[in-house]
Amino acid sequence: ETGVTQTPRHLVMGMTNKKSLKCEQHLGHNAMYWYKQSAKKPLELMFVYNFKEQTENNSVPSRFSPECPNSSHLFLHLHTLQPEDSALYLCASSQDLRTGWQSGRAYEQYFGPGTRLTVT
Amino acid sequence: QKEVEQNSGPLSVPEGAIASLNCTYSDRGSQSFFWYRQYSGKSPELIMSIYSNGDKEDGRFTAQLNKASQYVSLLIRDSQPSDSATYLCAVTPPGSTLGRLYFGRGTQLTVWP
Repeated sequence: ETGVTQTPRHLVMGMTNKKSLKCEQHLGHNAMYWYKQSAKKPLELMFVYNFKEQTENNSVPSRFSPECPNSSHLFLHLHTLQPEDSALYLCASSQDLRTGWQSGRAYEQYFGPGTRLTVT
Repeated sequence: QKEVEQNSGPLSVPEGAIASLNCTYSDRGSQSFFWYRQYSGKSPELIMSIYSNGDKEDGRFTAQLNKASQYVSLLIRDSQPSDSATYLCAVTPPGSTLGRLYFGRGTQLTVWP
């Protein structure tokens, strides 16, 4: 495996289901991200983790619960979602955020293929 | 809310022409800028990053940054039909926020043979 991988690639779930999205990066990075991409809207940052520690939560509803057990893996646990949560969920990774900001520059983020989620 | 504005297009150019994609941003202190390409149904793919005023060239792509005017652009020389995609501009805000990246809505480019 190379780059950033995501599973599953497609997911259909009912509003009462519980499911999880998985992301794995093979780039040796230490920062990982979850984004949401809805039709006609800009990519929207959800969560950021740096060395397993959450550094950003962009006011995401609690029905989305992230988990980062190590720098290579990131999960997004889903429960009691709404139809408006249907979207493409993208995972990304980058080098360590702190060393980047010490230099005044943000590192490039590399995206996985995404999970197309449909909530019925 | 930090704003990143892009002309949604569609921008249509003939094969071999130069495609010019523009992006403006509202936060004057922004320091890091990125261009991504996204094919329909696919995830964003990084094309280029730029951090300093001026031009940065990579193959057929040239990014141009003017922080005083809060403007970043992407030029694609010798455009090919395979360049047809949506191009996303992304900007990081200044300050201590780690990892935050603001995206524009993207410009849809069509290169016709």
